[in-house]
Order: sequence, then C-alpha cells, then structure tokens
Amino acid sequence: AQSVAQPEDQVNVAEGNPLTVKCTYSVSGNPYLFWYVQYPNRGLQFLLKYITGDNLVKGSYGFEAEFNKSQTSFHLKKPSALVSDSALYFCAVRDGQGNTDKLIFGTGTRLQVFP
Amino acid sequence: DTGVSQNPRHKITKRGQNVTFRCDPISEHNRLYWYRQTLGQGPEFLTYFQNEAQLEKSRLLSDRFSAERPKGSFSTLEIQRTEQGDSAMYLCASSLTLAGGSYEQYFGPGTRLTVT
Repeated sequence: AQSVAQPEDQVNVAEGNPLTVKCTYSVSGNPYLFWYVQYPNRGLQFLLKYITGDNLVKGSYGFEAEFNKSQTSFHLKKPSALVSDSALYFCAVRDGQGNTDKLIFGTGTRLQVFP
Repeated sequence: DTGVSQNPRHKITKRGQNVTFRCDPISEHNRLYWYRQTLGQGPEFLTYFQNEAQLEKSRLLSDRFSAERPKGSFSTLEIQRTEQGDSAMYLCASSLTLAGGSYEQYFGPGTRLTVT
C-alpha cells in the first residue's frame, strides 16, 4: 500500500534561517508526490509536486523540494524562513492503483518560525 | 474568486440528525474529491467523481454517507443519522485530470461538523 511518513510533529526555526520539513514515502511504481500547507481553519493550499524530471522541484512562496529515490524521501525546503511560513505542512502521495488519483496524506508537521 | 467553495463553513447538529454539505469545484475541473480530516491527522479520502460518475468510495464511507454530483458540477455530501464520531472537517477538492496525468488537487476551505 502507498504511504507517506512525516517523522517530525513540529519543526522550529528562526526567521531567516533555512528550513527543512521531512517526508519519506513508500510506493509501488513511480511516485507522484505533493506538498500542501494548511493555515488555521483553512483548507489545504498546493505548494508543489514531483511527477518526473528534475529531482529539485520549485514551488510557491519560495519553497522547493528534493526528490531522492534511493532514500525514498521528498523533503520540503526553503532557504530563508519567514514568520508567515508558520503553518501545518502535509506531504502526500498519489495512490495510483488503477485509475484513481486520490491522495494519501501524512500526519502533518507543524512549522513554527520564530522572529 | 474562482477557487473551490464549500457551504456551510460550520455546522453544529444533534446526534441522529441528517446533514448535507455542498461543494462547488473550479468550473473546468472534471474530478471532485471528498476528504475528512480529524484533529491532528491528515485528510483521509472518502470518495471521488469524474464528471457525474462516482468512481470510488473508501471503506470509511459507511452506508450513512452518500455523495452525489448530479450534473458533473457541484457535489453534495449527506450524512444520515449523525454520530459524534462524524465530527470532523470535511474537505472538498477538485482537479483537472486527463488520461495518463496526475494533476494537483485544489481544496476548498472545508466544512467543520460538530455533532453534539
């Protein structure tokens, strides 16, 4: 079965420092991977996706993610964190069984950026 | 705003009552999904439609739950005889998904259901 794991419940970082939010995946076949962000009482906002191609994917708001097939990881990164980046971040994988493209989400990582 | 919209945003109901939620997807999107999110968890898939056809239902979707997308546009999710365990955020998403592709899903703001 397809799955993703987010090993950290919370990540704390000072404003201006680089940030990394970790995600590992388990899939059969080629992985289709996504990152979403959720602000309080809001739906999820799409940040970026990896389907194929370059291992470094650039997304919205200065975020990027590095796909590493050998380590089955898809970590989210940003060179310089902002206080406004504080939110809940979800990694997701497309199920891919049959014709479905439902997403399977991790449990989320809360990012706290301190001024 | 041309994003996904959901109504109502909040619903408080008593156990045993029926509730219905509505989702309006992005207009040109052919797929529509329903997810449920409980506190501290990621969203869990419930069901999805391609145009008006319901293609898949999760085992989470008991027979008290029913979803429709009658004209391939908006969708409704109904919960009959609500239970306290149904309390959650219900999220709707849509995507433009073509054969052989996988396109990102765009989510609405959600409907928060509280069953008392």
